[in-house]
Amino acid sequence: DGGITQSPKYLFRKEGQNVTLSCEQNLNHDAMYWYRQDPGQGLRLIYYSQIVNDFQKGDIAEGYSVSREKKESFPLTVTSAQKNPTAFYLCASSIDLGPTFQQFFGPGTRLTVL
Amino acid sequence: AQSVSQHNHHVILSEAASLELGCNYSYGGTVNLFWYVQYPGQHLQLLLKYFSGDPLVKGIKGFEAEFIKSKFSFNLRKPSVQWSDTAEYFCAVYSGGGADGLTFGKGTHLIIQP
Repeated sequence: DGGITQSPKYLFRKEGQNVTLSCEQNLNHDAMYWYRQDPGQGLRLIYYSQIVNDFQKGDIAEGYSVSREKKESFPLTVTSAQKNPTAFYLCASSIDLGPTFQQFFGPGTRLTVL
Repeated sequence: AQSVSQHNHHVILSEAASLELGCNYSYGGTVNLFWYVQYPGQHLQLLLKYFSGDPLVKGIKGFEAEFIKSKFSFNLRKPSVQWSDTAEYFCAVYSGGGADGLTFGKGTHLIIQP
């Protein structure tokens, strides 16, 4: 069953702690993305990666870090430097960046900082 | 940077009413256009997309959208809504040039009253 998996579904952390959100895809897509979704804000791009061992900052990268050591995996670390980390985080992958570009989304991880 | 504007943040309709959700974008060049839907507790999923050709595109669940280039618009329509259409709807525009060329609107929360 092909798709994108994110774990965990819900995550709680104490203020000042780093936490890593998992994203795995078996769609053989080159590009992967992390978005943050807040009520009334839509989806905002945190980081994206077009190929293994390469990634780029999105619109709101401050306080986040990523790695892309394998094509299937694109974990996101929310660091203690992120001032307002409580949010819903969505991972996505895309089939290509050409004229037929389309993204596929994971189920999301809801992070709550206590 | 381009922007995507969804005019209504909250829409409440009765079952069987007709629906039109507005989406306007600012980019003047060639674009790919998308509408995504997020049902309560579910993945973000693609409703429909426009790449080229017929500007009237049909998607899943009876939805359609019309690309009007002169108005920079891609409004979503459905002639008769159902209670199960209650969801968050996002318009997105891809202007090319890389993974950060995709911009989402802030979303419209649609509530259908039985």
